[in-house]
Amino acid sequence: AQRVTQPEKLLSVFKGAPVELKCNYSYSGSPELFWYVQYSRQRLQLLLRHISRESIKGFTADLNKGETSFHLKKPFAQEEDSAMYYCALSGGSNYKLTFGKGTLLTVNP
Amino acid sequence: NAGVTQTPKFHILKIGQSMTLQCTQDMNHNYMYWYRQDPGMGLKLIYYSVGAGITDKGEVPNGYNVSRSTTEDFPLRLELAAPSQTSVYFCASVQPGGLGTGELFFGEGSRLTVL
Repeated sequence: AQRVTQPEKLLSVFKGAPVELKCNYSYSGSPELFWYVQYSRQRLQLLLRHISRESIKGFTADLNKGETSFHLKKPFAQEEDSAMYYCALSGGSNYKLTFGKGTLLTVNP
Repeated sequence: NAGVTQTPKFHILKIGQSMTLQCTQDMNHNYMYWYRQDPGMGLKLIYYSVGAGITDKGEVPNGYNVSRSTTEDFPLRLELAAPSQTSVYFCASVQPGGLGTGELFFGEGSRLTVL
């Protein structure tokens, strides 16, 4: 069975501070990992995916297969980064995503 | 191009009543999904469909039914509503492609309260 764990329900940082949202997964095959974000009163949207190795809005995430982790990082948090962040895993066909429980990030001024 | 559209946005239902949440997408995506989002629990997959006429159960299908008569529409029906079905429901779609694609596009959600 596949599982995604986000250990922090809430994370609060100050503007300009580094931020790291943790994500660990359990899957026996080769997973595809994603980070989705939900800003206040907006729909869920893709932030980034591991296969692209891209940086979106200053966020990066590296897949560490040894530690089965896909932590999301940003060196300098901004107030507009305040949102709910979900780590998700696609482990097979049909693009079914298994989501973690989410981390609510608050960036204080 | 409206993307994924869900109706209604809000609804209050009495225990035992039935209703249908509507979902339509104009991106010609083959794959569609229904998730429910409960506070502190993340999103759980209810049902999904890989094309017109094909549906399958997800992680939490009990108390729900779906149909997929067209590529565009994927309604979710709640039969005999129970308080445990109070949740926010999200419809999503994706057009499968090569490795690394498969970005899900979500609707705005339907907040359902069962009293």
